[in-house]
Amino acid sequence: ETGVTQSPTHLIKTRGQQVTLRCSSQSGHNTVSWYQQALGQGPQFIFQYYREEENGRGNFPPRFSGLQFPNYSSELNVNALELDDSALYLCASSFGTAQGKSSYEQYFGPGTRLTVT
Amino acid sequence: AQSVAQPEDQVNVAEGNPLTVKCTYSVSGNPYLFWYVQYPNRGLQFLLKYITGDNLVKGSYGFEAEFNKSQTSFHLKKPSALVSDSALYFCAVRVPITGGGNKLTFGTGTQLKVEL
Repeated sequence: ETGVTQSPTHLIKTRGQQVTLRCSSQSGHNTVSWYQQALGQGPQFIFQYYREEENGRGNFPPRFSGLQFPNYSSELNVNALELDDSALYLCASSFGTAQGKSSYEQYFGPGTRLTVT
Repeated sequence: AQSVAQPEDQVNVAEGNPLTVKCTYSVSGNPYLFWYVQYPNRGLQFLLKYITGDNLVKGSYGFEAEFNKSQTSFHLKKPSALVSDSALYFCAVRVPITGGGNKLTFGTGTQLKVEL
Protein backbone atom coordinates (compact mmCIF):
# COMPACT_ATOMS: atom_id res chain seq x y z
CA GLU A 1 0.00 0.00 0.00
CA THR A 2 1.50 3.31 -1.09
CA GLY A 3 0.92 6.42 0.95
CA VAL A 4 -0.02 9.93 -0.12
CA THR A 5 2.72 11.72 -2.04
CA GLN A 6 3.04 15.38 -2.94
CA SER A 7 5.30 17.36 -5.24
CA PRO A 8 7.24 19.51 -5.15
CA THR A 9 8.51 19.55 -1.58
CA HIS A 10 9.36 23.23 -1.61
CA LEU A 11 8.56 26.06 -3.98
CA ILE A 12 9.41 29.74 -4.12
CA LYS A 13 7.28 32.04 -6.26
CA THR A 14 6.90 35.74 -6.80
CA ARG A 15 3.73 37.67 -6.02
CA GLY A 16 1.35 37.61 -9.00
CA GLN A 17 2.65 34.33 -10.40
CA GLN A 18 0.72 31.09 -10.70
CA VAL A 19 1.58 27.74 -9.09
CA THR A 20 0.48 24.12 -9.48
CA LEU A 21 0.88 21.59 -6.69
CA ARG A 22 0.42 17.87 -7.20
CA CYS A 23 -0.84 15.00 -5.08
CA SER A 24 -1.09 11.26 -5.55
CA SER A 25 -3.66 9.62 -3.32
CA GLN A 26 -3.16 6.47 -1.30
CA SER A 27 -3.99 3.31 -3.23
CA GLY A 28 -7.67 2.40 -2.90
CA HIS A 29 -8.72 5.98 -2.13
CA ASN A 30 -10.93 8.00 -4.48
CA THR A 31 -11.31 11.28 -2.57
CA VAL A 32 -8.73 14.03 -2.22
CA SER A 33 -8.91 17.03 0.09
CA TRP A 34 -6.58 20.02 0.11
CA TYR A 35 -5.70 22.06 3.19
CA GLN A 36 -3.65 25.19 3.76
CA GLN A 37 -1.58 25.41 6.93
CA ALA A 38 -0.18 28.85 7.65
CA LEU A 39 2.71 29.12 10.07
CA GLY A 40 1.61 28.49 13.64
CA GLN A 41 -1.94 27.57 12.70
CA GLY A 42 -4.02 24.48 12.16
CA PRO A 43 -4.81 23.29 8.63
CA GLN A 44 -7.70 25.05 6.88
CA PHE A 45 -9.89 23.19 4.37
CA ILE A 46 -9.63 24.46 0.80
CA PHE A 47 -11.72 21.96 -1.18
CA GLN A 48 -12.38 18.28 -1.79
CA TYR A 49 -12.61 16.22 -4.97
CA TYR A 50 -14.55 12.99 -5.36
CA ARG A 51 -14.42 11.11 -8.64
CA GLU A 52 -13.15 14.14 -10.56
CA GLU A 53 -15.85 16.52 -9.24
CA GLU A 54 -15.48 19.22 -6.60
CA ASN A 55 -17.32 17.91 -3.57
CA GLY A 56 -17.22 20.98 -1.36
CA ARG A 57 -15.20 24.11 -0.79
CA GLY A 58 -13.94 26.13 2.13
CA ASN A 59 -13.63 29.87 2.47
CA PHE A 60 -11.02 30.40 -0.24
CA PRO A 61 -11.27 32.71 -3.27
CA PRO A 62 -11.80 31.41 -6.83
CA ARG A 63 -8.12 31.87 -7.68
CA PHE A 64 -7.68 28.62 -5.75
CA SER A 65 -8.80 25.87 -8.10
CA GLY A 66 -8.25 22.18 -8.47
CA LEU A 67 -8.53 19.10 -10.59
CA GLN A 68 -8.83 15.41 -9.97
CA PHE A 69 -7.78 12.90 -12.59
CA PRO A 70 -9.21 9.45 -13.43
CA ASN A 71 -6.44 7.81 -11.38
CA TYR A 72 -7.61 9.99 -8.41
CA SER A 73 -4.45 12.08 -8.32
CA SER A 74 -5.07 15.78 -7.93
CA GLU A 75 -3.71 19.25 -8.60
CA LEU A 76 -4.12 22.47 -6.68
CA ASN A 77 -3.70 25.63 -8.74
CA VAL A 78 -3.31 29.08 -7.28
CA ASN A 79 -3.40 32.13 -9.56
CA ALA A 80 -2.26 35.67 -8.83
CA LEU A 81 -0.21 34.64 -5.82
CA GLU A 82 -0.27 36.88 -2.77
CA LEU A 83 2.20 37.05 0.10
CA ASP A 84 -0.42 35.54 2.43
CA ASP A 85 -0.52 32.42 0.28
CA SER A 86 2.82 31.42 1.81
CA ALA A 87 2.00 28.23 3.71
CA LEU A 88 2.30 24.47 3.87
CA TYR A 89 -0.22 22.90 1.49
CA LEU A 90 -1.41 19.50 2.56
CA CYS A 91 -3.20 16.92 0.51
CA ALA A 92 -5.24 14.19 2.19
CA SER A 93 -6.87 11.13 0.70
CA SER A 94 -9.78 8.99 1.84
CA PHE A 95 -12.40 6.64 0.46
CA GLY A 96 -15.88 7.92 -0.33
CA THR A 97 -19.09 6.69 -1.93
CA ALA A 98 -21.84 8.33 -3.94
CA GLN A 99 -24.17 7.95 -0.98
CA GLY A 100 -21.97 10.26 1.05
CA LYS A 101 -20.43 7.50 3.09
CA SER A 102 -16.73 7.77 3.55
CA SER A 103 -13.86 6.41 5.52
CA TYR A 104 -13.63 8.40 8.68
CA GLU A 105 -9.95 9.28 8.73
CA GLN A 106 -8.03 11.17 6.11
CA TYR A 107 -4.43 10.31 5.37
CA PHE A 108 -2.10 13.21 4.73
CA GLY A 109 0.89 13.65 2.49
CA PRO A 110 4.09 15.39 3.60
CA GLY A 111 2.99 18.72 2.16
CA THR A 112 4.41 21.33 -0.19
CA ARG A 113 5.98 24.39 1.41
CA LEU A 114 5.12 27.43 -0.74
CA THR A 115 6.92 30.70 -0.19
CA VAL A 116 5.68 33.81 -2.00
CA THR A 117 8.08 36.75 -2.15
CA ALA B 1 -20.50 25.93 13.55
CA GLN B 2 -18.80 22.69 14.48
CA SER B 3 -15.42 23.26 16.02
CA VAL B 4 -12.75 22.04 18.40
CA ALA B 5 -10.60 24.04 20.78
CA GLN B 6 -7.18 23.30 22.21
CA PRO B 7 -6.73 25.54 25.23
CA GLU B 8 -2.99 25.00 25.65
CA ASP B 9 -0.42 26.25 23.15
CA GLN B 10 2.29 24.19 24.80
CA VAL B 11 2.53 21.30 27.23
CA ASN B 12 5.77 20.36 28.96
CA VAL B 13 6.25 16.99 30.62
CA ALA B 14 9.19 14.96 31.89
CA GLU B 15 10.02 11.70 30.16
CA GLY B 16 8.35 8.79 31.89
CA ASN B 17 5.54 10.90 33.28
CA PRO B 18 1.97 10.69 32.01
CA LEU B 19 0.91 13.31 29.50
CA THR B 20 -2.43 14.88 28.64
CA VAL B 21 -3.19 17.17 25.71
CA LYS B 22 -6.59 18.79 26.01
CA CYS B 23 -9.33 19.22 23.43
CA THR B 24 -12.94 20.37 23.76
CA TYR B 25 -15.55 20.25 21.06
CA SER B 26 -18.66 22.11 19.98
CA VAL B 27 -20.75 19.89 17.73
CA SER B 28 -24.41 19.44 16.95
CA GLY B 29 -25.25 15.78 16.82
CA ASN B 30 -22.81 12.96 17.32
CA PRO B 31 -19.18 14.07 17.10
CA TYR B 32 -16.58 12.30 15.03
CA LEU B 33 -13.28 13.30 16.63
CA PHE B 34 -9.66 12.74 15.68
CA TRP B 35 -6.12 13.31 16.89
CA TYR B 36 -3.23 13.90 14.50
CA VAL B 37 0.46 14.52 15.17
CA GLN B 38 2.82 16.65 13.11
CA TYR B 39 6.60 16.43 13.31
CA PRO B 40 8.72 19.33 12.01
CA ASN B 41 8.49 19.80 8.24
CA ARG B 42 6.18 16.83 7.95
CA GLY B 43 2.53 16.22 7.15
CA LEU B 44 -0.05 15.06 9.66
CA GLN B 45 -0.04 11.51 10.97
CA PHE B 46 -3.31 9.94 12.13
CA LEU B 47 -3.21 8.79 15.77
CA LEU B 48 -6.75 7.78 16.66
CA LYS B 49 -10.44 8.50 16.23
CA TYR B 50 -13.69 8.40 18.18
CA ILE B 51 -16.79 7.50 16.22
CA THR B 52 -18.99 5.66 18.69
CA GLY B 53 -18.74 3.03 21.40
CA ASP B 54 -16.20 2.92 24.19
CA ASN B 55 -15.24 6.28 25.59
CA LEU B 56 -11.58 5.24 25.83
CA VAL B 57 -10.04 4.98 22.40
CA LYS B 58 -6.64 3.40 21.83
CA GLY B 59 -4.41 4.55 19.00
CA SER B 60 -0.92 4.45 17.58
CA TYR B 61 2.36 4.72 19.51
CA GLY B 62 0.74 4.03 22.90
CA PHE B 63 -1.60 7.01 22.76
CA GLU B 64 -5.20 6.91 23.88
CA ALA B 65 -7.99 9.44 24.16
CA GLU B 66 -10.94 9.76 26.47
CA PHE B 67 -14.27 10.94 25.09
CA ASN B 68 -16.39 12.72 27.70
CA LYS B 69 -19.82 13.75 26.48
CA SER B 70 -20.85 15.68 29.58
CA GLN B 71 -17.68 17.79 29.48
CA THR B 72 -17.57 17.88 25.64
CA SER B 73 -13.93 16.87 25.79
CA PHE B 74 -11.64 14.51 23.93
CA HIS B 75 -8.30 14.63 25.73
CA LEU B 76 -5.26 12.81 24.38
CA LYS B 77 -3.30 10.79 26.91
CA LYS B 78 -0.24 8.59 27.23
CA PRO B 79 0.78 6.80 30.44
CA SER B 80 4.52 7.34 29.99
CA ALA B 81 5.90 10.07 27.74
CA LEU B 82 8.96 9.67 25.52
CA VAL B 83 11.28 12.39 24.25
CA SER B 84 10.36 11.23 20.75
CA ASP B 85 6.72 12.19 21.44
CA SER B 86 7.74 15.85 21.23
CA ALA B 87 5.71 17.24 18.33
CA LEU B 88 2.69 19.34 17.42
CA TYR B 89 -0.66 17.71 18.17
CA PHE B 90 -3.96 18.59 16.50
CA CYS B 91 -7.46 17.72 17.52
CA ALA B 92 -10.02 17.67 14.69
CA VAL B 93 -13.72 17.12 14.09
CA ARG B 94 -15.35 15.76 10.95
CA VAL B 95 -17.84 18.20 9.43
CA PRO B 96 -20.24 17.50 6.52
CA ILE B 97 -19.77 19.63 3.41
CA THR B 98 -22.05 20.37 0.48
CA GLY B 99 -21.80 17.68 -2.15
CA GLY B 100 -21.97 14.87 0.36
CA GLY B 101 -18.38 14.75 1.52
CA ASN B 102 -16.72 15.56 4.80
CA LYS B 103 -13.92 17.86 5.84
CA LEU B 104 -11.79 18.03 8.96
CA THR B 105 -11.89 21.17 11.09
CA PHE B 106 -8.77 21.43 13.21
CA GLY B 107 -7.88 23.06 16.48
CA THR B 108 -4.98 25.46 16.73
CA GLY B 109 -2.56 22.79 17.85
CA THR B 110 -0.64 22.05 21.05
CA GLN B 111 3.14 21.80 21.07
CA LEU B 112 4.21 18.92 23.29
CA LYS B 113 7.72 19.04 24.71
CA VAL B 114 9.01 16.01 26.56
CA GLU B 115 12.22 16.62 28.48
CA LEU B 116 14.73 14.24 30.02
